[in-house]
Amino acid sequence: GIQVEQSPPDLILQEGANSTLRCNFSDSVNNLQWFHQNPWGQLINLFYIPSGTKQNGRLSATTVATERYSLLYISSSQTTDSGVYFCAVALRRSGGSNYKLTFGKGTLLTVNP
Amino acid sequence: DTEVTQTPKHLVMGMTNKKSLKCEQHMGHRAMYWYKQKAKKPPELMFVYSYEKLSINESVPSRFSPECPNSSLLNLHLHALQPEDSALYLCASSQGPGQGGHEQYFGPGTRLTVT
Repeated sequence: GIQVEQSPPDLILQEGANSTLRCNFSDSVNNLQWFHQNPWGQLINLFYIPSGTKQNGRLSATTVATERYSLLYISSSQTTDSGVYFCAVALRRSGGSNYKLTFGKGTLLTVNP
Repeated sequence: DTEVTQTPKHLVMGMTNKKSLKCEQHMGHRAMYWYKQKAKKPPELMFVYSYEKLSINESVPSRFSPECPNSSLLNLHLHALQPEDSALYLCASSQGPGQGGHEQYFGPGTRLTVT
Protein backbone atom coordinates (compact mmCIF):
# COMPACT_ATOMS: atom_id res chain seq x y z
CA GLY A 1 0.00 0.00 0.00
CA ILE A 2 0.88 3.66 -0.13
CA GLN A 3 3.41 4.93 2.41
CA VAL A 4 2.92 8.29 4.14
CA GLU A 5 5.73 9.79 6.19
CA GLN A 6 5.39 12.92 8.29
CA SER A 7 8.13 14.98 9.84
CA PRO A 8 9.03 16.02 12.40
CA PRO A 9 7.24 13.59 14.75
CA ASP A 10 7.33 16.15 17.57
CA LEU A 11 7.68 19.92 17.54
CA ILE A 12 7.80 22.36 20.45
CA LEU A 13 7.40 26.07 19.75
CA GLN A 14 7.09 29.32 21.63
CA GLU A 15 3.95 31.29 20.94
CA GLY A 16 4.45 33.53 17.92
CA ALA A 17 6.93 31.26 16.14
CA ASN A 18 6.47 29.88 12.63
CA SER A 19 6.73 26.22 11.63
CA THR A 20 6.68 23.90 8.63
CA LEU A 21 5.35 20.35 8.72
CA ARG A 22 6.17 17.94 5.91
CA CYS A 23 4.33 14.96 4.39
CA ASN A 24 6.00 12.61 1.88
CA PHE A 25 3.99 9.97 0.04
CA SER A 26 5.04 7.07 -2.12
CA ASP A 27 2.53 7.06 -4.99
CA SER A 28 0.33 9.34 -7.14
CA VAL A 29 -2.65 10.60 -5.16
CA ASN A 30 -6.02 12.14 -5.95
CA ASN A 31 -6.76 13.15 -2.39
CA LEU A 32 -4.49 14.76 0.16
CA GLN A 33 -5.89 16.24 3.32
CA TRP A 34 -4.35 17.93 6.35
CA PHE A 35 -6.15 17.53 9.67
CA HIS A 36 -5.70 18.92 13.17
CA GLN A 37 -6.81 16.51 15.89
CA ASN A 38 -7.79 18.33 19.05
CA PRO A 39 -7.40 16.87 22.58
CA TRP A 40 -10.96 15.50 22.45
CA GLY A 41 -10.22 13.48 19.32
CA GLN A 42 -12.07 15.58 16.75
CA LEU A 43 -10.37 15.63 13.36
CA ILE A 44 -10.68 19.15 11.99
CA ASN A 45 -10.27 19.61 8.25
CA LEU A 46 -7.52 22.11 7.50
CA PHE A 47 -6.95 21.65 3.78
CA TYR A 48 -8.04 19.44 0.91
CA ILE A 49 -5.02 19.89 -1.35
CA PRO A 50 -4.10 17.13 -3.82
CA SER A 51 -2.04 19.76 -5.69
CA GLY A 52 -1.26 23.46 -5.60
CA THR A 53 -1.25 26.02 -2.81
CA LYS A 54 -3.98 27.20 -0.45
CA GLN A 55 -4.11 29.65 2.42
CA ASN A 56 -6.52 30.02 5.31
CA GLY A 57 -5.60 32.72 7.79
CA ARG A 58 -2.35 31.85 9.55
CA LEU A 59 -2.22 28.45 7.87
CA SER A 60 -1.17 27.63 4.35
CA ALA A 61 -0.35 24.42 2.49
CA THR A 62 1.46 23.44 -0.68
CA THR A 63 1.39 20.08 -2.44
CA VAL A 64 3.89 19.26 -5.19
CA ALA A 65 2.23 16.15 -6.59
CA THR A 66 4.98 15.40 -9.12
CA GLU A 67 7.55 15.26 -6.29
CA ARG A 68 5.16 13.51 -3.88
CA TYR A 69 5.26 15.84 -0.92
CA SER A 70 3.11 18.38 0.85
CA LEU A 71 3.98 21.12 3.34
CA LEU A 72 1.82 22.74 6.01
CA TYR A 73 2.92 26.17 7.21
CA ILE A 74 1.77 27.60 10.53
CA SER A 75 2.63 31.24 11.13
CA SER A 76 2.46 33.21 14.39
CA SER A 77 1.58 30.05 16.32
CA GLN A 78 -0.86 30.18 19.24
CA THR A 79 -1.34 27.82 22.17
CA THR A 80 -4.62 26.71 20.60
CA ASP A 81 -2.63 25.33 17.65
CA SER A 82 -1.33 22.56 19.91
CA GLY A 83 -2.36 19.03 18.99
CA VAL A 84 -1.61 16.38 16.41
CA TYR A 85 -1.44 17.29 12.73
CA PHE A 86 -2.16 14.46 10.30
CA CYS A 87 -1.56 14.22 6.59
CA ALA A 88 -3.78 11.66 4.81
CA VAL A 89 -3.78 10.55 1.18
CA ALA A 90 -5.79 8.36 -1.17
CA LEU A 91 -4.40 6.68 -4.27
CA ARG A 92 -5.12 7.79 -7.83
CA ARG A 93 -6.75 4.53 -8.89
CA SER A 94 -10.16 3.55 -10.21
CA GLY A 95 -12.53 1.69 -7.96
CA GLY A 96 -12.50 1.33 -4.20
CA SER A 97 -8.97 2.58 -3.56
CA ASN A 98 -10.08 6.13 -4.26
CA TYR A 99 -11.88 6.11 -0.93
CA LYS A 100 -9.25 4.71 1.37
CA LEU A 101 -7.50 7.51 3.23
CA THR A 102 -4.12 6.40 4.54
CA PHE A 103 -2.83 8.54 7.38
CA GLY A 104 0.72 9.41 8.31
CA LYS A 105 1.77 8.96 11.94
CA GLY A 106 1.25 12.65 12.62
CA THR A 107 3.23 15.55 14.07
CA LEU A 108 2.60 16.37 17.73
CA LEU A 109 2.81 20.15 18.04
CA THR A 110 3.13 21.83 21.41
CA VAL A 111 2.95 25.63 21.52
CA ASN A 112 4.08 27.11 24.83
CA PRO A 113 2.94 30.54 26.06
CA ASP B 1 -23.12 22.62 6.90
CA THR B 2 -20.20 20.17 7.00
CA GLU B 3 -21.29 18.29 10.10
CA VAL B 4 -21.10 14.58 10.84
CA THR B 5 -22.66 13.57 14.15
CA GLN B 6 -21.93 10.45 16.19
CA THR B 7 -23.64 8.90 19.18
CA PRO B 8 -22.85 8.03 21.85
CA LYS B 9 -19.77 10.10 22.72
CA HIS B 10 -18.58 7.50 25.21
CA LEU B 11 -19.47 3.83 25.59
CA VAL B 12 -18.38 1.26 28.15
CA MET B 13 -19.39 -2.32 27.42
CA GLY B 14 -18.62 -5.79 28.65
CA MET B 15 -17.29 -8.54 26.43
CA THR B 16 -20.71 -10.23 26.29
CA ASN B 17 -22.71 -7.11 25.47
CA LYS B 18 -24.22 -6.04 22.17
CA LYS B 19 -24.17 -2.35 21.39
CA SER B 20 -24.36 -0.06 18.35
CA LEU B 21 -22.59 3.11 17.29
CA LYS B 22 -24.51 5.58 15.16
CA CYS B 23 -23.39 8.16 12.61
CA GLU B 24 -25.44 10.69 10.67
CA GLN B 25 -24.73 13.28 7.97
CA HIS B 26 -27.01 15.62 6.02
CA MET B 27 -24.58 16.87 3.39
CA GLY B 28 -25.97 14.67 0.62
CA HIS B 29 -22.81 12.58 0.65
CA ARG B 30 -23.08 9.08 -0.78
CA ALA B 31 -19.88 7.59 0.70
CA MET B 32 -19.57 6.88 4.43
CA TYR B 33 -16.72 5.38 6.44
CA TRP B 34 -15.78 3.83 9.77
CA TYR B 35 -12.25 4.32 11.09
CA LYS B 36 -10.65 2.99 14.28
CA GLN B 37 -8.02 4.95 16.17
CA LYS B 38 -5.95 3.51 19.00
CA ALA B 39 -4.22 5.83 21.45
CA LYS B 40 -1.24 7.71 19.97
CA LYS B 41 -1.81 6.10 16.54
CA PRO B 42 -3.34 7.41 13.30
CA PRO B 43 -6.88 6.45 12.26
CA GLU B 44 -7.18 3.22 10.28
CA LEU B 45 -9.95 2.48 7.81
CA MET B 46 -12.40 -0.29 8.71
CA PHE B 47 -15.31 -0.04 6.23
CA VAL B 48 -16.50 2.06 3.29
CA TYR B 49 -20.09 2.31 2.08
CA SER B 50 -20.79 3.77 -1.35
CA TYR B 51 -24.43 4.44 -2.29
CA GLU B 52 -25.53 2.35 0.71
CA LYS B 53 -23.55 -0.70 -0.45
CA LEU B 54 -20.48 -2.05 1.34
CA SER B 55 -17.55 -1.12 -0.88
CA ILE B 56 -14.50 -1.85 1.28
CA ASN B 57 -14.03 -4.15 4.29
CA GLU B 58 -10.45 -3.95 5.54
CA SER B 59 -10.50 -7.51 6.88
CA VAL B 60 -12.30 -6.43 10.03
CA PRO B 61 -13.31 -9.21 12.49
CA SER B 62 -16.97 -10.26 12.27
CA ARG B 63 -17.64 -9.01 15.81
CA PHE B 64 -17.89 -5.61 14.07
CA SER B 65 -20.93 -5.46 11.76
CA PRO B 66 -21.61 -2.31 9.73
CA GLU B 67 -25.00 -1.28 8.41
CA CYS B 68 -26.11 1.57 6.16
CA PRO B 69 -29.92 1.82 6.43
CA ASN B 70 -30.11 4.92 4.20
CA SER B 71 -27.89 7.52 2.59
CA SER B 72 -27.68 9.64 5.76
CA LEU B 73 -27.12 6.97 8.41
CA LEU B 74 -24.33 4.55 9.21
CA ASN B 75 -24.32 2.12 12.11
CA LEU B 76 -21.63 -0.12 13.58
CA HIS B 77 -22.99 -3.07 15.53
CA LEU B 78 -20.69 -4.47 18.19
CA HIS B 79 -20.87 -7.97 19.69
CA ALA B 80 -18.48 -10.06 21.80
CA LEU B 81 -15.74 -7.46 21.68
CA GLN B 82 -12.34 -7.88 23.27
CA PRO B 83 -10.52 -5.38 25.54
CA GLU B 84 -8.08 -4.67 22.68
CA ASP B 85 -11.03 -3.27 20.69
CA SER B 86 -11.08 -0.29 23.04
CA ALA B 87 -10.43 2.74 20.83
CA LEU B 88 -11.87 5.92 19.33
CA TYR B 89 -14.26 5.04 16.51
CA LEU B 90 -14.58 7.75 13.89
CA CYS B 91 -17.22 8.08 11.21
CA ALA B 92 -16.63 10.10 8.05
CA SER B 93 -18.46 10.98 4.86
CA SER B 94 -17.59 12.29 1.42
CA GLN B 95 -19.15 12.74 -1.98
CA GLY B 96 -19.51 9.43 -3.77
CA PRO B 97 -18.61 8.29 -7.30
CA GLY B 98 -19.94 10.73 -9.87
CA GLN B 99 -20.52 13.47 -7.31
CA GLY B 100 -17.04 14.93 -7.74
CA GLY B 101 -14.56 15.65 -4.97
CA HIS B 102 -13.08 13.30 -2.40
CA GLU B 103 -12.73 15.40 0.74
CA GLN B 104 -13.69 13.41 3.82
CA TYR B 105 -15.39 15.03 6.81
CA PHE B 106 -15.15 13.38 10.21
CA GLY B 107 -17.48 13.17 13.16
CA PRO B 108 -16.34 13.74 16.75
CA GLY B 109 -15.97 10.02 17.42
CA THR B 110 -17.19 7.50 19.98
CA ARG B 111 -14.69 6.57 22.66
CA LEU B 112 -15.26 2.87 23.36
CA THR B 113 -13.99 0.99 26.40
CA VAL B 114 -14.42 -2.79 26.55
CA THR B 115 -14.17 -4.26 30.04
